[in-house]
Amino acid sequence: DAKTTQPNSMESNEEEPVHLPCNHSTISGTDYIHWYRQLPSQGPEYVIHGLTSNVNNRMASLAIAEDRKSSTLILHRATLRDAAVYYCILRSYNRDDKIIFGKGTRLHILP
Amino acid sequence: EPEVTQTPSHQVTQMGQEVILRCVPISNHLYFYWYRQILGQKVEFLVSFYNNEISEKSEIFDDQFSVERPDGSNFTLKIRSTKLEDSAMYFCASGTGVNTGELFFGEGSRLTVL
Repeated sequence: DAKTTQPNSMESNEEEPVHLPCNHSTISGTDYIHWYRQLPSQGPEYVIHGLTSNVNNRMASLAIAEDRKSSTLILHRATLRDAAVYYCILRSYNRDDKIIFGKGTRLHILP
Repeated sequence: EPEVTQTPSHQVTQMGQEVILRCVPISNHLYFYWYRQILGQKVEFLVSFYNNEISEKSEIFDDQFSVERPDGSNFTLKIRSTKLEDSAMYFCASGTGVNTGELFFGEGSRLTVL
């Protein structure tokens, strides 16, 4: 499985934007970049995914570098509820490809 | 919004006992997964299931583990003879199988082996 590298933890103030980085220098042409998060005592939750272009949804934005070797998950206005572990995952273009979780980034939100 | 449901939320068992964890995936999903998370550790893949058979399994998923979809709606994980190290949160997930589609996870079943 192609690997991703994320900081172990990050801190941000409530109501400010958060930029969560991810490096994936060995990404292949058929790998999509997925982000999931895990709130305390809950199961993982899908956040967003993309291939080459930047993506926006109601939860977040995903900025993908032109060479696709890195990406950034952007939470536009963090709330206390966004405190979670965020996982950057590469998922190949297969119908039933499993998701492999790394250690992720633990995001702390300061009130 | 449709969701994956898991039962029981918490089960305590004695070492050596059999345990069955149950999951009801989202109704139109075709791909099913079990993951586990030992306290303080990362989420680990156990097994994926499609078309009534295992499509992939990890090294963790040894002969003590089995999965089945007995009635077209439930998806179960059985641990035949539990060990202390099986204590973990077990998450079920399902997906449509559409390329790159998201997986939906349940809230998990906490298994405590004494």
